[in-house]
Amino acid sequence: QKEVEQNSGPLSVPEGAIASLNCTYSDRVSQSFFWYRQYSGKSPELIMSIYSNGDKEDGRFTAQLNKASQYVSLLIRDSQPSDSATYLCAAYSGGGADGLTFGKGTHLIIQP
Amino acid sequence: GAGVSQSPSNKVTEKGKDVELRCDPISGHTALYWYRQSLGQGLEFLIYFQGNSAPDKSGLPSDRFSAERTGGSVSTLTIQRTQQEDSAVYLCASSLVSAEQYFGPGTRLTVT
Repeated sequence: QKEVEQNSGPLSVPEGAIASLNCTYSDRVSQSFFWYRQYSGKSPELIMSIYSNGDKEDGRFTAQLNKASQYVSLLIRDSQPSDSATYLCAAYSGGGADGLTFGKGTHLIIQP
Repeated sequence: GAGVSQSPSNKVTEKGKDVELRCDPISGHTALYWYRQSLGQGLEFLIYFQGNSAPDKSGLPSDRFSAERTGGSVSTLTIQRTQQEDSAVYLCASSLVSAEQYFGPGTRLTVT
């Protein structure tokens, strides 16, 4: 059974600080990893993808992948109140037939 | 460009009735996915299409659920004899290859 685990939170971070979101996955076959942001009542929005070990930066977001530890993280620098949302970590094993395996998400609150 | 569209946005139906949900993927995206998100639950993968074919239908929750895709584009998810436990947000996603998936706004289904 493929599983993606996230701390449900809420994770409260002051405005301007770095928010750190973590995720672990069970299936070593997983090749690709994604972070989605979901505002209440809205659908998930893709914000980062990462395919190889190391860091990937895009604006204020940095995704980190460690396949040996089966660990993925997302750092949000200079956190803004608009970053308050649920962040979903997803893993993909390839082949298409299984779709993405999602964690249940971490609820992030940025305090002004 | 235009994103993934879904219709209807909301659907209220009586227990036992059939419903049909529609997804129009991003133009040119060959892969199409259906997911379900129940209140307080994570996203549950239902089915994947590559072109018009669905290689694995085992993710569908029961035989009351069926899906088809025609012309490599629009897909419909049909739920027969709806039950209250079918109440959820049904999300469609599409991708160019089986990797980065972009979600539509979803259809909120309420079975009374």
